Amino acid sequence: DAGVIQSPRHEVTEMGQEVTLRCKPISGHNSLFWYRQTMMRGLELLIYFNNNVPIDDSGMPEDRFSAKMPNASFSTLKIQPSEPRDSAVYFCASSLLGNRNGYTFGSGTRLTVV
Amino acid sequence: TQLLEQSPQFLSIQEGENLTVYCNSSSVFSSLQWYRQEPGEGPVLLVTVVTGGEVKKLKRLTFQFGDARKDSSLHITAAQPGDTGLYLCAGARDAGNMLTFGGGTRLMVKP
Repeated sequence: DAGVIQSPRHEVTEMGQEVTLRCKPISGHNSLFWYRQTMMRGLELLIYFNNNVPIDDSGMPEDRFSAKMPNASFSTLKIQPSEPRDSAVYFCASSLLGNRNGYTFGSGTRLTVV
Repeated sequence: TQLLEQSPQFLSIQEGENLTVYCNSSSVFSSLQWYRQEPGEGPVLLVTVVTGGEVKKLKRLTFQFGDARKDSSLHITAAQPGDTGLYLCAGARDAGNMLTFGGGTRLMVKP
């Protein structure tokens, strides 16, 4: 398995533009998580899905952020409009249901909003 | 305030030294995991501990889960430059699979 695949690896965009981050989880995993990591705040959970259904989106900063999981092999995180304070590394992770199963993280998307 | 507090936040040591990092909480966890993250990559799972008092070893790394399942420690013996990275603990509080991550310990091992 190629692991969790995220694209793009790097994204530089201007303030106000729409940004879409993409994630392909490990085949067979039924939970998917979106995290944001910054030096100041560490790793923050934004939203997670079980069996393609959003379970908890309380970490989504505001209405500018939205996430979808149309099928078991694909998820997107969209920011519209983007702001400089959204600059961070965004990680997608997948796992099997159950709290003893570790998460497999992707390599992340480094987003810079100028 | 982090639900899981990790200490120290930063640690810089010489190759060959021993070290311990801590992960503490006032909450009880059903399981706890440790991850290591290298620059430009996502965290990678090292170990899962589930029983109070449990000790697991992974080569030079020893992980312990507190008896009350509120805290954990990671001890590294004879650290090597390859151990450099961000060490994260993460706890699960219920039967679900949502993990809460600590703030991390950033370790640098100098040759």
